Amino acid sequence: EDKVVQSPLSLVVHEGDTVTLNCSYEVTNFRSLLWYKQEKKAPTFLFMLTSSGIEKKSGRLSSILDKKELFSILNITATQTGDSAIYLCAVERYRSNTGNQFYFGTGTSLTVIP
Amino acid sequence: SAVISQKPSRDICQRGTSLTIQCQVDSQVTMMFWYRQQPGQSLTLIATANQGSEATYESGFVIDKFPISRPNLTFSTLTVSNMSPEDSSIYLCSVEVSVEQFFGPGTRLTVL
Repeated sequence: EDKVVQSPLSLVVHEGDTVTLNCSYEVTNFRSLLWYKQEKKAPTFLFMLTSSGIEKKSGRLSSILDKKELFSILNITATQTGDSAIYLCAVERYRSNTGNQFYFGTGTSLTVIP
Repeated sequence: SAVISQKPSRDICQRGTSLTIQCQVDSQVTMMFWYRQQPGQSLTLIATANQGSEATYESGFVIDKFPISRPNLTFSTLTVSNMSPEDSSIYLCSVEVSVEQFFGPGTRLTVL
């Protein structure tokens, strides 16, 4: 059964801390892994990863994929209160006839306190 | 990129009634996706809507309960039929453009 598992489920840190969020997956016909930030309703796109070992970086956020061990991590350095959100990991699975499918993890709820 | 709007943004409905949610995209897209996010849970794909063909439903979702229309390349509707409190959820429309997936603002549905 295809699945995406994120850990930890929730995290509370102080401003300035560095956090690492984990995402492991078991998905057939893997195409890509995506990270999203969800603050209110709609998730916003952070990264898409398709190749192992290549770090994607955007400001204080970075992410890397390990396709051999089937996991990805999302790092946030020097956290700020504005980083408080649910971080979702999704894995895109290729399907030939009905369109690719995205499997979402349950998310990691990050709270950054001043 | 893609800008997606949804109507209504929220609604409170009585059990047994139906609600149609609209999704409008500012560009033409081949596939549109409908997701549900129940309280405290992650997003679950309901169905994929292709213009000009029947929607493809994921396991656990059926057309009678969630009929979908896709009349053109910028618009889709999802109807939640014969609602029960278990249908209380956020419903999100999504499209894939290049390699990114964009989400609408969601419709928060509460069924009493």
